[in-house]
Amino acid sequence: SQKIEQNSEALNIQEGKTATLTCNYTNYSPAYLQWYRQDPGRGPVFLLLIRENEKEKRKERLKVTFDTTLKQSLFHITASQPADSATYLCALDKDTGGFKTIFGAGTRLFVKA
Amino acid sequence: GAVVSQHPSWVICKSGTSVKIECRSLDFQATTMFWYRQFPKQSLMLMATSNEGSKATYEQGVEKDKFLINHASLTLSTLTVTSAHPEDSSFYICSARGYISGSNEQFFGPGTRLTVL
Repeated sequence: SQKIEQNSEALNIQEGKTATLTCNYTNYSPAYLQWYRQDPGRGPVFLLLIRENEKEKRKERLKVTFDTTLKQSLFHITASQPADSATYLCALDKDTGGFKTIFGAGTRLFVKA
Repeated sequence: GAVVSQHPSWVICKSGTSVKIECRSLDFQATTMFWYRQFPKQSLMLMATSNEGSKATYEQGVEKDKFLINHASLTLSTLTVTSAHPEDSSFYICSARGYISGSNEQFFGPGTRLTVL
């Protein structure tokens, strides 16, 4: 079955540093991959989508890479700020034509001032 | 941007009662709506997919008679948890897909916290 793995351990970094989060997947060849932010007690908020034919995507301080050979995506936040503290979810769409999205468990990021 | 609302944002009920959660797309027509459940520190688990005017498609292991989904219009889907039990306590999140600015995007609601006593 399809699996999405994200580092379950929380990531603690100092303000101003770059945070790098990893998403690995197995038994799947997604057409695209998404990253979401989720704050406690809230629904996910879409951040970035990267397609299988794209190696890298940027949006302001965010950068996502997608390596379909390694079946891995990296999510970077540069010049991190305490407000970036949240859980970040990796998501893939099931290629069933119904556009169902499946999520990883997420990685909790803490940015210390 | 597109907004998806959920109501109520939280609910506490007694065991054995039924609870209805509403999901609305406020400024776009949702061709498809999804319902997820999330337990603490766990991933969002897809429960079912619903298209307007047709029966919902449930994921494996989700009881369709317990989690009733109605998608009566392009802007409203409801999830009814029937005969709720404490193990149904969870965070329920809906999402809606619709064609906005030429792109079929998915937007999530803020979630509903259900606590069954």
